[in-house]
Amino acid sequence: NAGVTQTPKFRVLKTGQSMTLLCAQDMNHEYMYWYRQDPGMGLRLIHYSVGEGTTAKGEVPDGYNVSRLKKQNFLLGLESAAPSQTSVYFCASSYSPRLLTRNNEQFFGPGTRLTVL
Amino acid sequence: AQTVTQSQPEMSVQEAETVTLSCTYDTSESDYYLFWYKQPPSRQMILVIRQEAYKQQNATENRFSVNFQKAAKSFSLKISDSQLGDAAMYFCALLRLNFGNEKLTFGTGTRLTIIP
Repeated sequence: NAGVTQTPKFRVLKTGQSMTLLCAQDMNHEYMYWYRQDPGMGLRLIHYSVGEGTTAKGEVPDGYNVSRLKKQNFLLGLESAAPSQTSVYFCASSYSPRLLTRNNEQFFGPGTRLTVL
Repeated sequence: AQTVTQSQPEMSVQEAETVTLSCTYDTSESDYYLFWYKQPPSRQMILVIRQEAYKQQNATENRFSVNFQKAAKSFSLKISDSQLGDAAMYFCALLRLNFGNEKLTFGTGTRLTIIP
């Protein structure tokens, strides 16, 4: 199993450009998440999805959009990048936390370092 | 809203000694889970240990154990026999179990340095 993979690993954008980050998982997880990590602020939830075709806003959703067209993929889009979106982005996935027979662990991808100039 | 607070931005410990990382949290939920994640320089987030709020017994995983004080909303991590490979950022996290709205909230992290 590859686990959770993210592409790309690094990206540099100019202000106003758009891009899509791809997250893929091969563990048949229902839940998927996008976080951003900034120095001194831990990880903050951007958007998440509790199943194919569903998405919901997290703590810091502004400036981002997401889609979950397939169970195994969760896309994070930046329509018009801003310097404030310079960060490291992590994708994660898990089984439904309500399935008590399952480990509630969230499995993380390796991260994408995005710089917006 | 739920919050997780890690009041120690940095900690250091001598190799083979024991160190305790602090975490306090606040939530109105009665059903939740607590986690400690480790993030080494590779940036990969690795689960260290987890605790179900309904369990009174403290979780243990080899050299890692927690002191879970539910009434005080405290969840500290103890690392025994510290090893050089334990050097990393450690994040405390709270998972609320509100159906369809399960969210993991992280603390700001503690950077642990191991002194040879």
